[in-house]
Amino acid sequence: GAGVSQTPSNKVTEKGKYVELRCDPISGHTALYWYRQSLGQGPEFLIYFQGTGAADDSGLPNDRFFAVRPEGSVSTLKIQRTERGDSAVYLCASIPQATNEKLFFGSGTQLSVL
Amino acid sequence: GENVEQHPSTLSVQEGDSAVIKCTYSDSASNYFPWYKQELGKRPQLIIDIRSNVGEKKDQRIAVTLNKTAKHFSLHITETQPEDSAVYFCAAVRYSSASKIIFGSGTRLSIRP
Repeated sequence: GAGVSQTPSNKVTEKGKYVELRCDPISGHTALYWYRQSLGQGPEFLIYFQGTGAADDSGLPNDRFFAVRPEGSVSTLKIQRTERGDSAVYLCASIPQATNEKLFFGSGTQLSVL
Repeated sequence: GENVEQHPSTLSVQEGDSAVIKCTYSDSASNYFPWYKQELGKRPQLIIDIRSNVGEKKDQRIAVTLNKTAKHFSLHITETQPEDSAVYFCAAVRYSSASKIIFGSGTRLSIRP
């Protein structure tokens, strides 16, 4: 596609529910990153993938968070037993090759946990 | 780099004046320093970047300077305009090996008319 696509753009859920957030990176981009951004804060690193494997998941806050990228393209961020504190914008970004130059960000998913 | 500190958190300047945002980093192996701009409700976008083999880079009204010895770098915006109002983020990374990219906490820049 023309850019990084994230769906849904908005997600409202109830405390305790399970949610999946999808990221479709730019075709051919090998590295994919997930960030969480709260209002007025910088993007907080969660996890990044090189191809299909999670190269660094040290930013995932706890075991309720999990992400996959089974075919090295689309990635899904999964959050179990959501809590109100999970409410934030979840940003996905990709890079065309195995260097850290020029992250291309998606528009994000605004997650609201009621 | 593993730790990136950014100052100030908010900055208000008169239209036409200059704005400077500073970042410091801890990882001495960092060799690539991008700056991203995020307008309200929009995605972050790269506006300028610099590699460690140069001390300064300029693109029209924006410039970035790097002091490797002191491990700090700065974003300079001259002749500020209303459309410069946004949140700006820095990062310090190792260019040649894909790794997690840690951003600074951001600076909210407001341009007063």
